[in-house]
Amino acid sequence: DQQVKQNSPSLSVQEGRISILNCDYTNSMFDYFLWYKKYPAEGPTFLISISSIKDKNEDGRFTVFLNKSAKHLSLHIVPSQPGDSAVYFCAASGGWGAQKLVFGQGTRLTINP
Amino acid sequence: GAGVSQSPSNKVTEKGKDVELRCDPISGHTALYWYRQSLGQGLEFLIYFQGNSAPDKSGLPSDRFSAERTGGSVSTLTIQRTQQEDSAVYLCASSLAGPGAQPQHFGDGTRLSIL
Repeated sequence: DQQVKQNSPSLSVQEGRISILNCDYTNSMFDYFLWYKKYPAEGPTFLISISSIKDKNEDGRFTVFLNKSAKHLSLHIVPSQPGDSAVYFCAASGGWGAQKLVFGQGTRLTINP
Repeated sequence: GAGVSQSPSNKVTEKGKDVELRCDPISGHTALYWYRQSLGQGLEFLIYFQGNSAPDKSGLPSDRFSAERTGGSVSTLTIQRTQQEDSAVYLCASSLAGPGAQPQHFGDGTRLSIL
C-alpha cells in the first residue's frame, strides 16, 4: 500500500524551460509535504515544504502547489538549470505517524542543455 | 554549520555478523530519525527519537534491528546477525522539534553490503 506515489520515474526538460514534478497521496491525514533532491552517493537535500493550510509556497525558482481535494502536489522549477538534474522525492507526514516521513519512489529529472 | 554526520560511509560485512552505524545530528536538533533505502526502492522509515520520549520503533523490520540515542545527541543503529536483505543505504536525519512541522535534514548515509 503505497501512500505517496510519483508515477513518473523520469523526466527530461530543456534548460531554461519549466520542470513540473508530480506527486499523489492517498492518506487524507497527511498535513505536511516536502520535496527533496538527491544526487548519487549523497543524502536527500531539503528543497521546499508546504503545510496543508496553504495551497502554494514559493522559494526562488521552486514553487510547490498543493491540491488537497485531489490529493496531489507538484513542484515547479523555473527556469530549469543543468545543476537541477537529480532524483526528486516527495514526502508527507501527519496523522498517527505525525513525525515520520512517507516517501514517494522518486523522479529522475534530467536537464538538457 | 555542520550537517548530519554518519559513519562509516561504507560497510561491507559477512552474513551473520553484527554491525553498528553511527549518526551525529545537527547541533540543537532534538528529533532524530533513521531510514533506509534498498536498491530500487524509496526511503523507508525505521525509527524516530524525540527528546526523552520513548522512541517510535514502528518501522523496524525485525527484532534484529535496534537503535539507541545517548545523551539526546548521537545515535547508533545496530543490526544483529545480518542477512543479505539488510543490504541498503541507511540514512539518518534530524530536525528541530517545532513549533509546527519542521523539515528533516539528512546525512549522506551508510552504504551497507552484506556478503
